[in-house]
Amino acid sequence: ELKVEQNPLFLSMQEGKNYTIYCNYSTTSDRLYWYRQDPGKSLESLFVLLSNGAVKQEGRLMASLDTKARLSTLHITAAVHDLSATYFCAGPHNAGNMLTFGGGTRLMVKP
Amino acid sequence: DAGVTQSPTHLIKTRGQHVTLRCSPISGHKSVSWYQQVLGQGPQFIFQYYEKEERGRGNFPDRFSARQFPNYSSELNVNALLLGDSALYLCASSLLGTSGRGSVETQYFGPGTRLLVL
Repeated sequence: ELKVEQNPLFLSMQEGKNYTIYCNYSTTSDRLYWYRQDPGKSLESLFVLLSNGAVKQEGRLMASLDTKARLSTLHITAAVHDLSATYFCAGPHNAGNMLTFGGGTRLMVKP
Repeated sequence: DAGVTQSPTHLIKTRGQHVTLRCSPISGHKSVSWYQQVLGQGPQFIFQYYEKEERGRGNFPDRFSARQFPNYSSELNVNALLLGDSALYLCASSLLGTSGRGSVETQYFGPGTRLLVL
């Protein structure tokens, strides 16, 4: 059964700084998902990474996948306050698109 | 277009009671999944249904059950509620759901039902 671990669990950063969130998973997986959750809200899909070496970018967020290392990263460039949220990575629970989530990284961007 | 809708938004129950949560998927989506998110943790997979059939089950006790209706909406039922069942229950829909290895469809999540068990 897939296990997903994220670090750090909590990240406080200044606006304008760069940082990376790491997502390690335990068994071979051909895809990895990133979601965002604002306080008291539901989950918003950010990225689906489908192959080794996949890189996707949206605004100040860039996600990558290394299936050999069983590692995905979410890189934040020049953070702004609006990026404050909890970010989750998730892998397939089994064949299909049921998901096993990591514990989340709570990001706070301070002015 | 309407997204995934869930009802009720909030619910307070006492230990031992029963609860039914409801979910309507995005129009055209045939698969519904349920997740439990305890405060401060990531969501945990409970069930997935596709075309009224259970396609997957997470590590939850038999007190948890679900079903999917011909219009693809779904209910999650929890019997004999425990304090530890207090959580945000999320429903997600996708077009096909489990369709073998390589199914990469994104799941779209509803706003959730926040359940408090006293």
